[in-house]
Amino acid sequence: GDSVTQTEGLVTLTEGLPVMLNCTYQTIYSNPFLFWYVQHLNESPRLLLKSFTDNKRTEHQGFHATLHKSSSSFHLQKSSAQLSDSALYYCALSLNSGGSNAKLTFGKGTKLSVKS
Amino acid sequence: DAGVTQTPRHEVAEKGQTIILKCEPVSGHNDLFWYRQTKIQGLELLSYFRSKSLMEDGGAFKDRFKAEMLNSSFSTLKIQPTEPKDSAVYLCASSLDWGNAETLYFGSGTRLTVL
Repeated sequence: GDSVTQTEGLVTLTEGLPVMLNCTYQTIYSNPFLFWYVQHLNESPRLLLKSFTDNKRTEHQGFHATLHKSSSSFHLQKSSAQLSDSALYYCALSLNSGGSNAKLTFGKGTKLSVKS
Repeated sequence: DAGVTQTPRHEVAEKGQTIILKCEPVSGHNDLFWYRQTKIQGLELLSYFRSKSLMEDGGAFKDRFKAEMLNSSFSTLKIQPTEPKDSAVYLCASSLDWGNAETLYFGSGTRLTVL
């Protein structure tokens, strides 16, 4: 079945260093939609980035990601981590298969902790 | 516009009890989802409704979990009987699906503790 694999567990960074959270996916469909959701402590998940265009960089709030269908990847990056980036990050996959495009398959999440 | 509203925020149940969680989606949204969130498994899909019709009922969760959508503005998730392993945060989310990569809007969740 369809699946998403993320950098597992906890990633700890020092403020100012670059952020890279890995995300790869598996699907038989050729036109998947990929998402990054972010969840801060005591909040609900909210959309950070989304893309369905191969090899096109998408950016929001200092974060960026590029969907690479050749490697089935959608890694999340930021040039300089901030304390406020500490949160739980989910990569998710949606299939443009005729069903709901909001029906997401999520990875298990990566907790990012940024320290001063 | 109001977001997704979930009640209660917290629920404590004894093993074997029946609990009902409630969700009101964003007005006008036609897709509604129930997810379970745990630290180990992350976000797992329990049920999915499109225009009040049940599209998916979450496979492994079928036996004790039942979601219903009585009208377009209200959904319930019943867990019967509860077990300690059901302790988790239950998130409801809705979306307006125009056929593109649409955004899920999550509620604040219900934190369930089963003793």
